[in-house]
Amino acid sequence: GAVVSQHPSWVICKSGTSVKIECRSLDFQATTMFWYRQFPKQSLMLMATSNEGSKATYEQGVEKDKFLINHASLTLSTLTVTSAHPEDSSFYICSARAIRESYEQYFGPGTRLTVT
Amino acid sequence: DQQVKQNSPSLSVQEGRISILNCDYTNSMFDYFLWYKKYPAEGPTFLISISSIKDKNEDGRFTVFLNKSAKHLSLHIVPSQPGDSAVYFCAAVKPNFGNEKLTFGTGTRLTIIP
Repeated sequence: GAVVSQHPSWVICKSGTSVKIECRSLDFQATTMFWYRQFPKQSLMLMATSNEGSKATYEQGVEKDKFLINHASLTLSTLTVTSAHPEDSSFYICSARAIRESYEQYFGPGTRLTVT
Repeated sequence: DQQVKQNSPSLSVQEGRISILNCDYTNSMFDYFLWYKKYPAEGPTFLISISSIKDKNEDGRFTVFLNKSAKHLSLHIVPSQPGDSAVYFCAAVKPNFGNEKLTFGTGTRLTIIP
């Protein structure tokens, strides 16, 4: 149980284009989904928290107009990187929490984004 | 301001021996702690957690110890197996009315030597 998928697993795009990454909870309903970014040899950096049907809460320093998050249902959240630049190249990971009373987050396999 | 720290970036342990990974935190508001294991280019996998009302939690080969007065927790893996080679992250949570988020440590790369 508690499986989270991400699509695509890797993507290459040109500067100036937009890329959408999907995160799905496959066998449970996620009250909350999270988006992280990981730089090489560094820890996971929380970008934003999203609850189904409401606007995402972004961490300090994360541009909400650049990283658009949509949490349309209890099993799907999307992250759109708009007008991508090479410095947006990174490993993006989503996670989902099943119930509010539990702190455990279940992570997707991640998406490697390369902007050329 | 790194509120959760893993001071050992790497650790090598012989197969069959005990692996001990350490984690320190500075914020006394943290009341729940988790350990995750991560392979390269994959998402973290949840291993074990502990609430601040406990000082020990055990699940198979994994045991987490919490010392609140020292603001320190550790993960013990025994016996260590080659498949345990990965990066281990500890994470901490503080109450926030249903909006809790994980604060991750910097990670420790564990290598099990056959």
